[in-house]
Amino acid sequence: ELKVEQNPLFLSMQEGKNYTIYCNYSTTSDRLYWYRQDPGKSLESLFVLLSNGAVKQEGRLMASLDTKARLSTLHITAAVHDLSATYFCAVDRGSQGNLIFGKGTKLSVKP
Amino acid sequence: KAGVTQTPRYLIKTRGQQVTLSCSPISGHRSVSWYQQTPGQGLQFLFEYFSETQRNKGNFPGRFSGRQFSNSRSEMNVSTLELGDSALYLCASSNLGSWRAEAFFGQGTRLTVV
Repeated sequence: ELKVEQNPLFLSMQEGKNYTIYCNYSTTSDRLYWYRQDPGKSLESLFVLLSNGAVKQEGRLMASLDTKARLSTLHITAAVHDLSATYFCAVDRGSQGNLIFGKGTKLSVKP
Repeated sequence: KAGVTQTPRYLIKTRGQQVTLSCSPISGHRSVSWYQQTPGQGLQFLFEYFSETQRNKGNFPGRFSGRQFSNSRSEMNVSTLELGDSALYLCASSNLGSWRAEAFFGQGTRLTVV
């Protein structure tokens, strides 16, 4: 059974600091997704990581994928309040067309 | 282009009733998946449809069902509602012909069962 674990589940950061969210998954997968969710809102796609060693960056967020270690990271650089949200990683089950999500990391950035 | 549209956005139902939720995918997308999000269980996969066929189903009771129409629009139905069915129901569409096969989510339907 494919399991996806994120840590930490809660993260309180000060503005300007750096931090990393980790996403481990239990079986082989070549595709990993990161989503952002604001309270009461839907999921916004941040990154799609398609191969081992993939690294993508958008603003203060950078995501990477190590398929051998079954690990993805979401690195936050110089956090700002606008990044406060819940971040989910999800692993694709290939042709089965469904995503297995981690429990999410609730990020709070304080001034 | 238009995103994934879910209707209604909010719904209040009584225990024992049934409910139907609707999802219109992005134009050209033929795969539609449904997810249930609750504070306790997080995001859980319900089922996925492709070209009017259910290809995969999550671990939910038979009270949860769905279908997809020839225009790729999808509906999900929950019968004999229970309090525990209160959740945000999210629909996602994807173009499985694309290498990225990224899933795009709708705004969700917030179902409250009282």
